[in-house]
Amino acid sequence: GAGVSQSPSNKVTEKGKDVELRCDPISGHTALYWYRQSLGQGLEFLIYFQGNSAPDKSGLPSDRFSAERTGGSVSTLTIQRTQQEDSAVYLCASSPQRTSGINEQFFGPGTRLTVL
Amino acid sequence: DQQVKQNSPSLSVQEGRISILNCDYTNSMFDYFLWYKKYPAEGPTFLISISSIKDKNEDGRFTVFLNKSAKHLSLHIVPSQPGDSAVYFCAALNRDDKIIFGKGTRLHILP
Repeated sequence: GAGVSQSPSNKVTEKGKDVELRCDPISGHTALYWYRQSLGQGLEFLIYFQGNSAPDKSGLPSDRFSAERTGGSVSTLTIQRTQQEDSAVYLCASSPQRTSGINEQFFGPGTRLTVL
Repeated sequence: DQQVKQNSPSLSVQEGRISILNCDYTNSMFDYFLWYKKYPAEGPTFLISISSIKDKNEDGRFTVFLNKSAKHLSLHIVPSQPGDSAVYFCAALNRDDKIIFGKGTRLHILP
């Protein structure tokens, strides 16, 4: 596909369950980002992968959150023992290798997670 | 500690008039500043950017102004059109390619 895709588009789960959110970045993009947007809030940075470097996990809100990126492409964000405050839209973005100037991030449509 | 601040959660502007969206930042080491536009149920899309060494960048109806001494930037949309109704995010890029977003401003274009 031409853009970033995310699945599922919507996920409803019960408190305490684990969820996995998937992101397929644009082919060839070396950087991949996860953000979340809670109701009435801005985009909150979660984690950033750049090539083969160690990911920047500084935005993960707790150790219940983890993410991996296999083969430098697809990424999975896992939330263990979900809580109601985890309800949000989870957005993935990718960007190409930055050579000079600005590197635009291309966002997927997001996964809306609702924890009951 | 918010490094990128958009203090107006919403703004209403008459169609045809100028929309001015404001953004303040705290880190003088940011490399680039960007504006993203987001419609409901869609991911944000890139709108316009400005390098920290410039003070103005224009693209059609959109102009971004940067005042480094005040650590302030603004997005001007003129003339405003109904399709401009969306949430606008200000963002700043550091040299590690990490983008910090503001909380967004919801722009309503009134008929």
